[in-house]
Amino acid sequence: DIQMTQSPSTLSASVGDRVTITCRASQNIINWLAWYQVKPGKAPKLLIYKASSLESGVPSRFSGSGSGTEFTLTISSLQPDDFATYYCQQYNTYSGTFGQGTKVEIK
Amino acid sequence: QVQLVQSGAEVKKPGSSVKVSCKASGGTFSSYSINWVRQAPRQGLEWMGRITPILERANYAQKFQGRVTLTADKSTSTAYMELSSLTSEDTAVYYCARDRDVVVPSPGGVWGQGTLITVSS
Repeated sequence: DIQMTQSPSTLSASVGDRVTITCRASQNIINWLAWYQVKPGKAPKLLIYKASSLESGVPSRFSGSGSGTEFTLTISSLQPDDFATYYCQQYNTYSGTFGQGTKVEIK
Repeated sequence: QVQLVQSGAEVKKPGSSVKVSCKASGGTFSSYSINWVRQAPRQGLEWMGRITPILERANYAQKFQGRVTLTADKSTSTAYMELSSLTSEDTAVYYCARDRDVVVPSPGGVWGQGTLITVSS
């Protein structure tokens, strides 16, 4: 199975900060990498797919980059609505492993 | 606009099975894969498996092989997830998620509202 490792597990930041979350895959996943935002009691929301493609309706302050085994999610200027937990997920025809999540907290 | 509506919360006894439904409306059903993902209390997201209705093919995470069965009824645009031999570790919110694109691979773009399954004696 492909393993996904996110860092950090928790991140404390202020409104307006630039935030970066890293995700590493245990093997080459090319660019089959998605990022989700999860808030308590809500279904996950797709933010980024194919490592760097912004899902329709998602603010442009969110961006993704990377390929192979290393990927990043960047929030250019953190907004109050962005305090949530973020997950990366590798997806291929046969599996869809998630990272363990990064909780973005108010500093 | 496609919507996924899941069945309601259930309480199950240890050792029993549960079957959760996920009904799609407002879009094409058969061509898109449906994923099942769960989130236990204070835990992360866990991918369980995926079914592609038009191919009648399912793939399962190794952890759930032999204990989970994914099916789909094309006539009613409904996907099902059945999990057997339940333990307290299976207490979680279970989500279905339709692939974003018909072309694979694709991540889950449309999600159901979630179904809470509580396993308790």
